[in-house]
Amino acid sequence: GDSVTQMEGPVTLSEEAFLTINCTYTATGYPSLFWYVQYPGEGLQLLLKATKADDKGSNKGFEATYRKETTSFHLEKGSVQVSDSAVYFCALSVGGNEKLTFGTGTRLTIIP
Amino acid sequence: GAGVSQTPSNKVTEKGKYVELRCDPISGHTALYWYRQSLGQGPEFLIYFQGTGAADDSGLPNDRFFAVRPEGSVSTLKIQRTERGDSAVYLCASSARPSGGLGEQYFGPGTRLTVT
Repeated sequence: GDSVTQMEGPVTLSEEAFLTINCTYTATGYPSLFWYVQYPGEGLQLLLKATKADDKGSNKGFEATYRKETTSFHLEKGSVQVSDSAVYFCALSVGGNEKLTFGTGTRLTIIP
Repeated sequence: GAGVSQTPSNKVTEKGKYVELRCDPISGHTALYWYRQSLGQGPEFLIYFQGTGAADDSGLPNDRFFAVRPEGSVSTLKIQRTERGDSAVYLCASSARPSGGLGEQYFGPGTRLTVT
């Protein structure tokens, strides 16, 4: 079946550090890939997405590139801020299916 | 505008009892989804509605779980004969239209269910 494997957390970084959160996937078809974020006390919200190979999704300084050859969609940001502290979820959907399959989430804490 | 709302925010019930969890989607959104998030895990798909009908209920774990959306707006997730393993955060999401997996789902804050 379809699955998403995420970097184990929690991750703690200092402000302005470089961030990478790894995500790899297994899919029976050709997936669309997503990063969702959950800020403290808020619901899940879409951060960025990519729908085909080599696409780069970007938002709020975060980027992720759809790598079909390595079945990966790693999340990166060049300089993190305290306000980026949240739980990040990698997710996929396949073949027009409305269902999202999520990874286990990575808790990120940024220290001033 | 108002986002997805869920009530109650917390529900504590005894093993064997029946519970109902409510979801109010964003006004005008035709697609509605239920997910379940256990501690330390990502959300797990339960069911998807397009309008009033359940288009995909493949994630419902067993026949104790049932969901309805009679008027194509508010949805209720119903759990019969609750078990301690049902304890989780139940998330509802909606989207403006079926997206073929390409679009954005807007999530509510969730209902935390605890079965004692």
